[in-house]
Amino acid sequence: EVQLVESGGGLVQPGGSLRLSCGVSGSTFSDHYMDWVRQAPGKGLEWVGRIRDKANSFTTEYAASVKGRFTISRDDSKNSLFLQMNSLKTDDTAVYYCVRVTLITIFGAVHGALEFWGQGTLVTVSS
Amino acid sequence: DIQLTQSPSFLSASVGDRVTITCRASQGISTYLAWFQQKPGRAPNLLIYAASTLQSGVPSRFSASASGTEFTLTITGLQSEDFATYFCLQHNKYPLTFGGGTKVEIK
Repeated sequence: EVQLVESGGGLVQPGGSLRLSCGVSGSTFSDHYMDWVRQAPGKGLEWVGRIRDKANSFTTEYAASVKGRFTISRDDSKNSLFLQMNSLKTDDTAVYYCVRVTLITIFGAVHGALEFWGQGTLVTVSS
Repeated sequence: DIQLTQSPSFLSASVGDRVTITCRASQGISTYLAWFQQKPGRAPNLLIYAASTLQSGVPSRFSASASGTEFTLTITGLQSEDFATYFCLQHNKYPLTFGGGTKVEIK
């Protein structure tokens, strides 16, 4: 059974930093792209970013709202995903989910299914 | 960015009803669309990927289809456990974007 467990959330002041972690078990972590998705209280879902696997040079993609402030990294030896968040704003307040992406090929097209999700960790940015 | 317009945003239905939720993309996304179900306090759960492929373990009362830039999720024979919020997601281009959500409540 694939399990993802986020940690590191909490209360931080505007302008501060926080580092989230996500431990993955029951899966060959290194084979998969990983995403972060967030959800502000009572709001919809917002994709934060992605890190690809070693075969794709661990390249990353980010939402415009976090680019330059957030950095996604991974440690395949520890089956762990990270989200370093700097220059935090009140708008960054949300539950942050880590997500394992499963690449599925259908009629020659590769679909990245956001298949497995952690339970989320709450980040509150407030003075 | 590709925008997904999801409708309705709120839906009131009874057990046994057939409900349809629509997601319209601002540009062509081929079949790079997924549907998720989310219950309060829980992480989203993948229902459908590639526009119409049912995720393993998801009941067959869930189905989905695509026509151009319009995508639909249908629940045939709504069950009590289906009352939740549903989101669509496009992953044709970065940044990935979600629809605004449809909350399905008991009538």
